[in-house]
Amino acid sequence: NAGVTQTPKFQVLKTGQSMTLQCAQDMNHNSMYWYRQDPGMGLRLIYYSASEGTTDKGEVPNGYNVSRLNKREFSLRLESAAPSQTSVYFCASTISGTGNIQYFGAGTRLSVL
Amino acid sequence: GENVEQHPSTLSVQEGDSAVIKCTYSDSASNYFPWYKQELGKRPQLIIDIRSNVGEKKDQRIAVTLNKTAKHFSLHITETQPEDSAVYFCAASINRGSTLGRLYFGRGTQLTVWP
Repeated sequence: NAGVTQTPKFQVLKTGQSMTLQCAQDMNHNSMYWYRQDPGMGLRLIYYSASEGTTDKGEVPNGYNVSRLNKREFSLRLESAAPSQTSVYFCASTISGTGNIQYFGAGTRLSVL
Repeated sequence: GENVEQHPSTLSVQEGDSAVIKCTYSDSASNYFPWYKQELGKRPQLIIDIRSNVGEKKDQRIAVTLNKTAKHFSLHITETQPEDSAVYFCAASINRGSTLGRLYFGRGTQLTVWP
């Protein structure tokens, strides 16, 4: 039982390049989330998926797209990376009935030059 | 949407002292309030949570209090230890039955415990 697994752990991109951050959970959770964390800004929600087949925007969705591939996997795509997207990205998941305890992945540290 | 404010942004205490972090929220419908701890370079992890039908909850050296009327909740850590040093985040959400609302996070408090 690995919990929430994110890949890659580190990535350096040039401005304008694209990439996909992968997230998978093996806890049979319904809801999955993507956050970005910047110094002094806390955790800001980018997109979330309340259940398989649905996705919704969070606070800071601009420049990102997501895909809930199946119940286990939720990917985040940067189509044309910008320096402002330099951040640490966390994926999280939760299941109904636990009161919304979110379990986080280890994070992806992304630098856009 | 919900707005969660957290204070202070940094807090330094001597080992053995108590630490208190306070959060306010704006939406009176919020009914679930978790606290997460994030050690340097690690992922956030839940340390304690409270629901709106409870005023206080304790777990060993940590406790959370909730004042629904004033819309604020606080984290109390007693007998602090150096390993308590971390960033602490409060959050709020609205859960209706099996439908979970998204979490709204505060900006975090960097707690440093000096030996």
